[in-house]
Amino acid sequence: GQQLNQSPQSMFIQEGEDVSMNCTSSSIFNTWLWYKQDPGEGPVLLIALYKAGELTSNGRLTAQFGITRKDSFLNISASIPSDVGIYFCAGPNSGGSNYKLTFGKGTLLTVNP
Amino acid sequence: DVKVTQSSRYLVKRTGEKVFLECVQDMDHENMFWYRQDPGLGLRLIYFSYDVKMKEKGDIPEGYSVSREKKERFSLILESASTNQTSMYLCASTYPGQAYEQYFGPGTRLTVT
Repeated sequence: GQQLNQSPQSMFIQEGEDVSMNCTSSSIFNTWLWYKQDPGEGPVLLIALYKAGELTSNGRLTAQFGITRKDSFLNISASIPSDVGIYFCAGPNSGGSNYKLTFGKGTLLTVNP
Repeated sequence: DVKVTQSSRYLVKRTGEKVFLECVQDMDHENMFWYRQDPGLGLRLIYFSYDVKMKEKGDIPEGYSVSREKKERFSLILESASTNQTSMYLCASTYPGQAYEQYFGPGTRLTVT
């Protein structure tokens, strides 16, 4: 089945630094979603991307839909302690039901004040 | 704002018990999902429902069943709980016409002893 590979698996950064993470697949995706999960909580949708090459921002977060449609990137600028959490990418499965999503295993972000 | 609620944040049950996890959304969403989340395995889809009384198996349905008698409520049932069902359970729903943007509840951390 489809798999989404997230990189890096974890990051330790200082407050104020910028962060970049990515998500890649061997299959083409027509939609990319980025979620953040705080410890002990459910994932929260951050950004949805629907078009190859699309660049979308949500506050300090910027996500891009790769031109090949096999990857997506998430950047966080000027990180703050509340950015701590797990960031997931996700995309709809091809074939079968359109409702199902494939999720990456996440990037764990730790921000040192 | 989308509101997806789950009946319990934490639950402790004994092996062999029948367990009900409830999920309610207040936005007239058609599609609802149940996932479990385990370290190193990410989010795995158990079941989803695209309408009242309609359901479809996800990737790991064994040991679980679901019920959707009303549009706003989607229940996950563990017929006979086992220790390997100790996990974080997450419910999600989507807007009509936006099947990919899933909105999650806060999760239920279930421990089976």
